[in-house]
Amino acid sequence: GDSVTQMEGPVTLSEEAFLTINCTYTATGYPSLFWYVQYPGEGLQLLLKATKADDKGSNKGFEATYRKETTSFHLEKGSVQVSDSAVYFCALSPLEAGGTSYGKLTFGQGTILTVHP
Amino acid sequence: IAGITQAPTSQILAAGRRMTLRCTQDMRHNAMYWYRQDLGLGLRLIHYSNTAGTTGKGEVPDGYSVSRANTDDFPLTLASAVPSQTSVYFCASSREAGRYNEQFFGPGTRLTVL
Repeated sequence: GDSVTQMEGPVTLSEEAFLTINCTYTATGYPSLFWYVQYPGEGLQLLLKATKADDKGSNKGFEATYRKETTSFHLEKGSVQVSDSAVYFCALSPLEAGGTSYGKLTFGQGTILTVHP
Repeated sequence: IAGITQAPTSQILAAGRRMTLRCTQDMRHNAMYWYRQDLGLGLRLIHYSNTAGTTGKGEVPDGYSVSRANTDDFPLTLASAVPSQTSVYFCASSREAGRYNEQFFGPGTRLTVL
């Protein structure tokens, strides 16, 4: 079945450091890929997405590129801020049998990011 | 403010009791979803609904049931709660069912089953 694997956490960085959170996936066909962020005490919200190979999603200084050859969708940010402290989830939405899609998301386990001043 | 509301915010429940978690959205989204979040496991889909009147099973449906009588409401029922159902439950919705569509999440319900 489909699965998403994120790098082991938690991740602790100093402000203005470079961030990479690795994400690899297993799926048939061409899934859509997403990064969601969960701030303390809140629900998840979409950070960025990519729907086909070589697409780059970007938002709020974060970027991720859909790499089909390596089945990866790594999240990067050049200079993190204290306000980026949150839990980050990589997720995929598959193309199901018969070419249909129900939008069901499969999530990775989440990576806790803490940024210190 | 448009969005998704969930109730209750948190609940402690005795094993064997029946419990319904409520979810309401005012965005007129067709698709709705229930997930549970457990530490180290991310979020797992329990049930989904592509449109009012239809529902489907997700990855972990056992012990849960849902209904979708109208567009706005998507309640999740635990018929007889067990301790393994202790979790944080998130309701989500999207404009349409489909792999391109963003899902919007509610604030969650923290459920403890003793």
